[in-house]
Amino acid sequence: GDSVTQMEGPVTLSEEAFLTINCTYTATGYPSLFWYVQYPGEGLQLLLKATKADDKGSNKGFEATYRKETTSFHLEKGSVQVSDSAVYFCALNAGGTSYGKLTFGQGTILTVHP
Amino acid sequence: EPEVTQTPSHQVTQMGQEVILRCVPISNHLYFYWYRQILGQKVEFLVSFYNNEISEKSEIFDDQFSVERPDGSNFTLKIRSTKLEDSAMYFCASSLLAKNEQFFGPGTRLTVL
Repeated sequence: GDSVTQMEGPVTLSEEAFLTINCTYTATGYPSLFWYVQYPGEGLQLLLKATKADDKGSNKGFEATYRKETTSFHLEKGSVQVSDSAVYFCALNAGGTSYGKLTFGQGTILTVHP
Repeated sequence: EPEVTQTPSHQVTQMGQEVILRCVPISNHLYFYWYRQILGQKVEFLVSFYNNEISEKSEIFDDQFSVERPDGSNFTLKIRSTKLEDSAMYFCASSLLAKNEQFFGPGTRLTVL
């Protein structure tokens, strides 16, 4: 079945450091890929998405590129801020007859210190 | 900006009791979902709902669970007889089409004692 694997966390960085959170997936067909963020005490918010191979999603300084050859969708940011501290989830929508079901990775806790 | 809302934010219940979790999806969306997140674990899909019927459900969504869209705005998840292991954060989500991004509500934390 479909699955998403994220790098083990938690991740602790200093402000202005470079961030990478790895995400790889297994799916049949051509899934759409998403990064969601969950700030403390809040629900899940869509951070960025990509719907086909080589697409790059970007938002708020975060980027991720849909790499079909490596089945990856790694999240990057060049300079993190304290306000980026949150839990980040990689997810896929397998498309086809999945009726929109999202399959999530286990989440990566990011803490950014001043 | 339109958003998905959920009530209550926290529900405490006794084992064996029925609970109903309520959601108001974004008004022009057509697809509705429930997910749950047990503390410290990943977000898991429960069910998707379209055109007034279940379109897909996971193995978690057994006969104890049901969903309903009782009117044009609400979308509910009922757990008929709660178990300790149902304790989790339950998220409602909606999307315009199945392939589009889903918008999530803030969640209802269910605690079963």
